[in-house]
Amino acid sequence: GESVGLHLPTLSVQEGDNSIINCAYSNSASDYFIWYKQESGKGPQFIIDIRSNMDKRQGQRVTVLLNKTVKHLSLQIAATQPGDSAVYFCAERGAGANNLFFGTGTRLTVIP
Amino acid sequence: DADVTQTPRNRITKTGKRIMLECSQTKGHDRMYWYRQDPGLGLRLIYYSFDVKDINKGEISDGYSVSRQAQAKFSLSLESAIPNQTALYFCATSDSGTYGYTFGSGTRLTVV
Repeated sequence: GESVGLHLPTLSVQEGDNSIINCAYSNSASDYFIWYKQESGKGPQFIIDIRSNMDKRQGQRVTVLLNKTVKHLSLQIAATQPGDSAVYFCAERGAGANNLFFGTGTRLTVIP
Repeated sequence: DADVTQTPRNRITKTGKRIMLECSQTKGHDRMYWYRQDPGLGLRLIYYSFDVKDINKGEISDGYSVSRQAQAKFSLSLESAIPNQTALYFCATSDSGTYGYTFGSGTRLTVV
């Protein structure tokens, strides 16, 4: 079956350090992946996405890496700030599927 | 104004009661979704609609029903609420040409 999961449920980093949040997926046919950020009391917000024909995509302070060989996705946040504290979800879309499947999330805590 | 608005934000209801959660959007998106979020389980799809006359069950549709009253409105009903439906509920929208979702701020439902 299809599953999207995260290696670590929590992550604490010092302010200014880089953060890496990991995600494993099992459907090798998935062709699209998204990272969402969810702050307390709010809905998930889109951060960055990547298609399966790419292995890296960069945004502002964020980079997503896709390793299709081991079915692994990661989100790198540069110079982590207190405002980055949130739960981060990865989501995948199976090829031909209409919907996204979400992982359980990793809580990132930034220590000032 | 928020792009995706959910009402109410919080609701406490008694077992056996019928309750409706409402979602409206100003994004002009044709696709709308209802998700449920429980701690440790991530986001699970309840129902989705790709157009006004299109309704589809998600992975956990039992005990729920939906109505797509207009392109901009998608409501979720619990016909007879039970305590294990206590959760955070999110509405989301997407455009048919993309896969990224825009989420509302959520409705926290407690069934006692």
